[in-house]
Amino acid sequence: AQSVAQPEDQVNVAEGNPLTVKCTYSVSGNPYLFWYVQYPNRGLQFLLKYITGDNLVKGSYGFEAEFNKSQTSFHLKKPSALVSDSALYFCAVRASSGGYQKVTFGTGTKLQVIP
Amino acid sequence: ETGVTQTPRHLVMGMTNKKSLKCEQHLGHNAMYWYKQSAKKPLELMFVYSLEERVENNSVPSRFSPECPNSSHLFLHLHTLQPEDSALYLCASSQEHASGGREQFFGPGTRLTVL
Repeated sequence: AQSVAQPEDQVNVAEGNPLTVKCTYSVSGNPYLFWYVQYPNRGLQFLLKYITGDNLVKGSYGFEAEFNKSQTSFHLKKPSALVSDSALYFCAVRASSGGYQKVTFGTGTKLQVIP
Repeated sequence: ETGVTQTPRHLVMGMTNKKSLKCEQHLGHNAMYWYKQSAKKPLELMFVYSLEERVENNSVPSRFSPECPNSSHLFLHLHTLQPEDSALYLCASSQEHASGGREQFFGPGTRLTVL
C-alpha cells in the first residue's frame, strides 16, 4: 500500500529565512509526487509536481522540491519565506502506471511564517 | 476559482434532511473526486469517477450517494447524516492520461454542519 508521511504537524520560520517542509513516501514502482497548499476556507491549490527528469522541481510562488529516490523523499523548499506563505501544505503520491491510480495525501503541515 | 466550482459553500442540515452538493469543472477533465476533510484528520478520498465511471468507493456509508451525469458535473447526495459527518467536502478534477495522471484541481469546498 502506498503512503505519505509528513513528520511535522507545524513548521515555524522567520520571514526572510529559508523554509523546508518534509515529505517521505512509499509506493510500488516509480512515483508521481505532488505538493499542494491550502489557505483558510479554501480548497487545495496545486504547487508543483515531480513526474520524471530533473530531480529539482520548481513550482509556483518561488517554491521548489527535490526528489530523492534513495531516501524516498520529496521535501518542499523556499529560499526566503514570506508571511503570505503561511498555510497548510500537503504532499501527495501516486504510482506512475497509466490510467487511473489512487492518489494518497499526507496529513498536512501547517507553515507559520513569523514577521 | 473558476476552474472547479462547488455549491453551496455552506450547508447546515438536520439529521433527517436530504440535501445535495454540486460540483462543476470547467477544465475539460475526465476524472472527478469527492474528498472529506475533517479537523485533525487526513484528507479522506470518498469517491472517484473516471470517464464517468465510478472507480473508487472508499467504504463510504450509504448515506452518501454520488452521481456523475457527465464529465463536467458531480453530485453528492446526502440523507440521514450524523453529526460526525460535519466537515469540509472538497471536489476535485484531473485529466487522466494513458501515460499517467496529472495534478488535481480542487474546488473551494462545501462546509457542512449536521445538527
